Amino acid sequence: SAVISQKPSRDICQRGTSLTIQCQVDSQVTMMFWYRQQPGQSLTLIATANQGSEATYESGFVIDKFPISRPNLTFSTLTVSNMSPEDSSIYLCSVATGLTNSPLHFGNGTRLTVT
Amino acid sequence: GDSVTQMEGPVTLSEEAFLTINCTYTATGYPSLFWYVQYPGEGLQLLLKATKADDKGSNKGFEATYRKETTSFHLEKGSVQVSDSAVYFCALSDTGGGADGLTFGKGTHLIIQP
Repeated sequence: SAVISQKPSRDICQRGTSLTIQCQVDSQVTMMFWYRQQPGQSLTLIATANQGSEATYESGFVIDKFPISRPNLTFSTLTVSNMSPEDSSIYLCSVATGLTNSPLHFGNGTRLTVT
Repeated sequence: GDSVTQMEGPVTLSEEAFLTINCTYTATGYPSLFWYVQYPGEGLQLLLKATKADDKGSNKGFEATYRKETTSFHLEKGSVQVSDSAVYFCALSDTGGGADGLTFGKGTHLIIQP
């Protein structure tokens, strides 16, 4: 299975600033996703990171707020822009290897607190 | 759209008790179903999965059977341990392998007391 390294593991940021979260996978993967897990809530898909093209965002999420890069098949970044306390969440990177019926693998997440 | 509903927590049990965490779903077609577990301070790990009706997924003593007639995928374990304390998420995928992302339930926090 894929090994996913996500950085930073946690951060405390001031409102109005931006934070970029990195996701590195130890092997090439077909699909990379970014999820948000708000306190006491389930995981919500933010977007699919597409290699070489713009990310595909889910309803309620926009590129200006959550710009995503995916320069190659093993790396992606998610930026949380112009942060407010409502952005305090755990942000998780996940990958699909593309094999039939293979499940998603998740990184350990980035715990973000906005003050 | 797709949705997953699982029982609210926290669920508190004594060690060696029988565990059931209910999960029902709404989806078009024939989704694949998953249970993920999140131990304190760690990321999500796949616990088990089932890809078609009547399949039974099992791992670490946990089991869940894909019931198409009741659109359910309840998680069970015959004798829980303190180390099973975690948050459990039921999830589904329309494309079989999660390649389009997963739809998650809200999670059930399980607390096992010695």
